[in-house]
Amino acid sequence: GAVVSQHPSRVICKSGTSVKIECRSLDFQATTMFWYRQFPKQSLMLMATSNEGSKATYEQGVEKDKFLINHASLTLSTLTVTSAHPEDSSFYICSARPDRDRGPFGNTIYFGEGSWLTVV
Amino acid sequence: SQELEQSPQSLIVQEGKNLTINCTSSKTLYGLYWYKQKYGEGLIFLMMLQKGGEEKSHEKITAKLDEKKQQSSLHITASQPSHAGIYLCGAEGPLTFGKGITLSVRP
Repeated sequence: GAVVSQHPSRVICKSGTSVKIECRSLDFQATTMFWYRQFPKQSLMLMATSNEGSKATYEQGVEKDKFLINHASLTLSTLTVTSAHPEDSSFYICSARPDRDRGPFGNTIYFGEGSWLTVV
Repeated sequence: SQELEQSPQSLIVQEGKNLTINCTSSKTLYGLYWYKQKYGEGLIFLMMLQKGGEEKSHEKITAKLDEKKQQSSLHITASQPSHAGIYLCGAEGPLTFGKGITLSVRP
């Protein structure tokens, strides 16, 4: 079946540094990918919609300068947490929607395995 | 924005029992997704419903979307410990989620 891969699965970084998380669609092309954040015992909070070849659309309250999203190809979107602080520590997860008419995966949105970020 | 209410917030059932969880939208649903997750792990796609009155089943899980396309239910028959986890419903456009329902199944 369709697979979306995230890397790294776990990362620890020092406060003030930047860290990049990759989201790849392995079996299909995805013009649109989504980035979520999940706090302990809570649901997924949509951070932004990543659009290939154009700027990401950020949800209200999400700092676009802090969470940089780049969707440079039809199979890769990256989330860079800039000047990370301990409060940015969280579980980040991406999802991808297969482009219609470009493959057999239909109208299903697939999720990556998630990335644990710890800022120390 | 679309708001999804899931109920109950949490549920504990004895293994072998049937259960139903619900997802209610403030607006008409044009695509309703059900996922299962263990916190801190990826989401497992269960089903996607689009048409009013639609019903889909996979193994022991059945999901329905009402005719008005504002409410969906997920029914598990003869629950097993493997069914335990967080069940999330998501609404299309872009995909946003309810708060999730934590299901525990006691052996």
